[in-house]
Amino acid sequence: QVRLVQSGTEMKRPGSSVRVSCRASGGTFSVNAISWIRLAPGQGLEWMGGVIPASGAPTYAKKFQGRLTVTADESTTTVYMELRSLRIDDTAVYYCAREVATGTEYDGMDVWGQGTMVNVS
Amino acid sequence: SYELTQPPSVSVSPGQTARITCSGDALPQQYAYWYQRKPGQAPVLIIFKDVQRPAGIPERFSGSTSGTTVTLTISGVQAEDEADYYCQSTDSNDSYEWVFGGGTKLTVL
Repeated sequence: QVRLVQSGTEMKRPGSSVRVSCRASGGTFSVNAISWIRLAPGQGLEWMGGVIPASGAPTYAKKFQGRLTVTADESTTTVYMELRSLRIDDTAVYYCAREVATGTEYDGMDVWGQGTMVNVS
Repeated sequence: SYELTQPPSVSVSPGQTARITCSGDALPQQYAYWYQRKPGQAPVLIIFKDVQRPAGIPERFSGSTSGTTVTLTISGVQAEDEADYYCQSTDSNDSYEWVFGGGTKLTVL
């Protein structure tokens, strides 16, 4: 049973950076992409970016390019999300999620972390 | 940027059928995925590739597609189905950039 366990709540000041971790256990880590999605108060889900650990090459939503870095450490089966130049409206719950595929066809995000609250104030 | 449009809210009585739509210009070419999110919980994948249901998801959840609109149908709605529902897709086979709809709050009256 694959599990994604995220790091704990973060309290940050505007202009600072935050790094959230997502540790995978119980499955094959390297071949599945891991995405980061956030849910701000009163808003909907927002995809931020992701990475395939085996390739190490990340992809970012245009909105976050230049401010977001997603990295993977295969030795610890952990994916990291670092968001810089934090603003008040970055306050949100941040989720990591595993993407699954059948061959080249995407099958969705089937396992999610428990979420990490990031408060910027 | 690409957008997926959902109604903000849908209300039904228990036992009735709820239909939640998601519209996007690229949906005829791209698959859609549906997630259920209950307060304080992480989202759960309930439909993938427009119409397929993951193991463990009740049969009352189904997906369909017609042109630029995909629909999540919940038959025989139960109180426990009250949640936010989000569609997800992309507008390109080349750019790996996922988009979520704005979400629909399903209220069971």
